[in-house]
Amino acid sequence: DAKTTQPTSMDCAEGRAANLPCNHSTISGNEYVYWYRQIHSQGPQYIIHGLKNNETNEMASLIITEDRKSSTLILPHATLRDTAVYYCIVRVGGDYKLSFGAGTTVTVRA
Amino acid sequence: NAGVMQNPRHLVRRRGQEARLRCSPMKGHSHVYWYRQLPEEGLKFMVYLQKENIIDESGMPKERFSAEFPKEGPSILRIQQVVRGDSAAYFCASSPQQVENTEAFFGQGTRLTVV
Repeated sequence: DAKTTQPTSMDCAEGRAANLPCNHSTISGNEYVYWYRQIHSQGPQYIIHGLKNNETNEMASLIITEDRKSSTLILPHATLRDTAVYYCIVRVGGDYKLSFGAGTTVTVRA
Repeated sequence: NAGVMQNPRHLVRRRGQEARLRCSPMKGHSHVYWYRQLPEEGLKFMVYLQKENIIDESGMPKERFSAEFPKEGPSILRIQQVVRGDSAAYFCASSPQQVENTEAFFGQGTRLTVV
């Protein structure tokens, strides 16, 4: 699987959009970008994933650059409950393993 | 539709005892994955099972650890003769089938403390 690079931490104001970057410059054509988050003491929670096109669901939006070397997860209106570690993972479609790195610790402040 | 259920949530064992961690996948899911999260570290893949089959145990320590997913009942992760270094959070995930473009759903984990 391609390696990802994420900032160690970031702060966000409650009610504002949170933009979480992820660099995956060695991604292959058949690798998807997945985002999970882990709220303190809980299991990882799936957020969103995509291959080439931008994706949006009820939780977030995923913007993938045209060359697919980087992506941004957007939480449109961050709340205090969005405080968590966010993991950007790339993996081949159908590959069952998820390789979690250190992620980005996001703190939403009132 | 209940999510992935793990029990117990917290487990305390003395060194040398056995630990049994249980995982009931989501309804309709026949694929189970176990991950371990050591203190201050990321989650690491341990083992992937389907009903009555171990598909990949490449992430599991060679000794003292075993996993099963019987035809009936939950998946079990078993740790024999536990040591302090086994203290960690153990997470189970499940998915409906092994197809492209699908996500896995995680349980809340079992926190094992070895004293």
